[in-house]
Amino acid sequence: DVKVTQSSRYLVKRTGEKVFLECVQDMDHENMFWYRQDPGLGLRLIYFSYDVKMKEKGDIPEGYSVSREKKERFSLILESASTNQTSMYLCASSFGANYGYTFGSGTRLTVV
Amino acid sequence: QKEVEQNSGPLSVPEGAIASLNCTYSDRGSQSFFWYRQYSGKSPELIMFIYSNGDKEDGRFTAQLNKASQYVSLLIRDSQPSDSATYLCAVTMDSSYKLIFGSGTRLLVRP
Repeated sequence: DVKVTQSSRYLVKRTGEKVFLECVQDMDHENMFWYRQDPGLGLRLIYFSYDVKMKEKGDIPEGYSVSREKKERFSLILESASTNQTSMYLCASSFGANYGYTFGSGTRLTVV
Repeated sequence: QKEVEQNSGPLSVPEGAIASLNCTYSDRGSQSFFWYRQYSGKSPELIMFIYSNGDKEDGRFTAQLNKASQYVSLLIRDSQPSDSATYLCAVTMDSSYKLIFGSGTRLLVRP
């Protein structure tokens, strides 16, 4: 089975902290994605990457950055956490959109 | 703007009934269509995909695609309380990298 592993299930951080969310996949997928999911707003794409060291902005990249130094790992960075970044963060990977995505189990981040 | 539309629900059906979930999409060029199930507090799980017009069956689930009318549906036969979840429709548009997700339909199966 394809596995997408997110390093933390629950995380509590303080306003202004730099936060790293890690995602690792074990199926050699080229494409990796970071979404956030909030009640009533659905899945919103933050950033995605289609190759090592490549990244593209999604719909809501403000306040976030990403890093993909190795094919299997895609990190989401909150440069200075704010309370409006409290959310469920979902990582996904894929061979290509026609194959669908596999999601990680999610990280529920609370910024206080 | 490319869109995927779903009724947010909740769709409430009695146990044993057929649940019918619908999704429309805006891009006539879309190639691939997916249904994800998401339990509360969990991540989405792929349950069905369909590429061609017509029906595709997998156990109690049937995906139906009509490209001319730009809709895709999911039928769940013999609905169980464990089927209670939010169902997300996802569609490829433009890019070979990205899926566009609907906002999901919440299904409640009453015992």
